[in-house]
Amino acid sequence: DIVMTQTPSSQAVSAGEKVTMSCKSSQSLLYSENKKNYLAWYQQKPGQSPKLLISWASTRESGVPDRFIGSGSGTDFTLTISSVQAEDLAVYYCEQYYDTPLTFGSGTKLEIK
Amino acid sequence: EVQLVESGGGLVQPGASLKLSCIASGFTFRGFAMNWVRQTHGKALEWIAIINYDGSYTNYAPSLKNRFTISRDNAKSTLYLQMNNVRSEDTATYYCTRNDNSNWFAYWGQGTLVTVSS
Repeated sequence: DIVMTQTPSSQAVSAGEKVTMSCKSSQSLLYSENKKNYLAWYQQKPGQSPKLLISWASTRESGVPDRFIGSGSGTDFTLTISSVQAEDLAVYYCEQYYDTPLTFGSGTKLEIK
Repeated sequence: EVQLVESGGGLVQPGASLKLSCIASGFTFRGFAMNWVRQTHGKALEWIAIINYDGSYTNYAPSLKNRFTISRDNAKSTLYLQMNNVRSEDTATYYCTRNDNSNWFAYWGQGTLVTVSS
């Protein structure tokens, strides 16, 4: 199985600040034939179901604010929120869909100071 | 608007069986692969199984393959998860999810809570 490791487990930032969170995979998620990274990011707000933010490591879903930026390749990925808003309070998960079993990271909880 | 509505959860005794359902609307159900994903109280997410658009292909998390079965009825726009010989560690919220172009989870239901306890 591909193991997904997210750090930090939680972090607290003030509104307006920039925040980055890491997701590392135990093997490369880059498929050589199409040069795509098989990684997605999800946001889960309190009391809600997860919501897809980003696929292919860096492609934002329609309607997702452009302050959410996915980057990285191979085994190292980052989700950046360029200017955190109060409504970004949530847990953020990464998921690899390179191979089954599909696996998730343990999440990064974002708290707003 | 895509909607996925799960049902069938509840309190069940260890060793019992349970069948979850997910009714889909707002899209052509028969055109998409579907999954079940669960989330424990500790918030960990675990993929359970996937089924392709017509039900001819399924794939499971190895640890659950012998006890769980995913199926679908395209005429009823409904996805199912048959859970057999449930254990305390199966206690979780179970989500129905829809794929898009690949195996990411583009849409999620609101979840149904399964509690396994005597």
